[in-house]
Amino acid sequence: ETGVTQTPRHLVMGMTNKKSLKCEQHLGHNAMYWYKQSAKKPLELMFVYNFKEQTENNSVPSRFSPECPNSSHLFLHLHTLQPEDSALYLCASSQDLVGGETQYFGPGTRLLVL
Amino acid sequence: DAKTTQPPSMDCAEGRAANLPCNHSTISGNEYVYWYRQIHSQGPQYIIHGLKNNETNEMASLIITEDRKSSTLILPHATLRDTAVYYCIVRRNAGNMLTFGGGTRLMVKP
Repeated sequence: ETGVTQTPRHLVMGMTNKKSLKCEQHLGHNAMYWYKQSAKKPLELMFVYNFKEQTENNSVPSRFSPECPNSSHLFLHLHTLQPEDSALYLCASSQDLVGGETQYFGPGTRLLVL
Repeated sequence: DAKTTQPPSMDCAEGRAANLPCNHSTISGNEYVYWYRQIHSQGPQYIIHGLKNNETNEMASLIITEDRKSSTLILPHATLRDTAVYYCIVRRNAGNMLTFGGGTRLMVKP
């Protein structure tokens, strides 16, 4: 256990559905991240939050909408996704954004878009 | 970011040392070398990191060459549970971003 939890662990949704992924960290960290891992591709950074403020949006399509209500929780709201968005979505946290801080990852949500 | 190069795959016999190489010839003086691993369908797990000196913890040892252009992750006694993809990452200067490459798929065999 890394202290970072994600729910749900598996999700199947249609292209017209709206769903949300949840991430919670119990480490007292201030920075949180969303990554996407498609089949046979490296992890791609999507969003970064530091003290609830978004500091990085890695050219992610607007059908992915992040929300960070506090430093312990991070959501990824999904709407009108495409089948190519099927992937493992990983959340991570670190103490802050100072270079060298270790990131701790959750187990991921495996998403299938039909 | 400094780019890293790793072999795509390696095999190791159970109980033997696994030595995973990484080239990072364009690394800057203040950039750290990080190692993570990802067991199938799980989130990446932090292993170790270093700047200049060799480092050791309960999981592994990290050997960084004097010119810092390459490093080696050593798992001293590999077990079947060490089968995973191992990522060598040089941390970006701005913020705390990790850029993952393809990694090395280590297969530990009985």
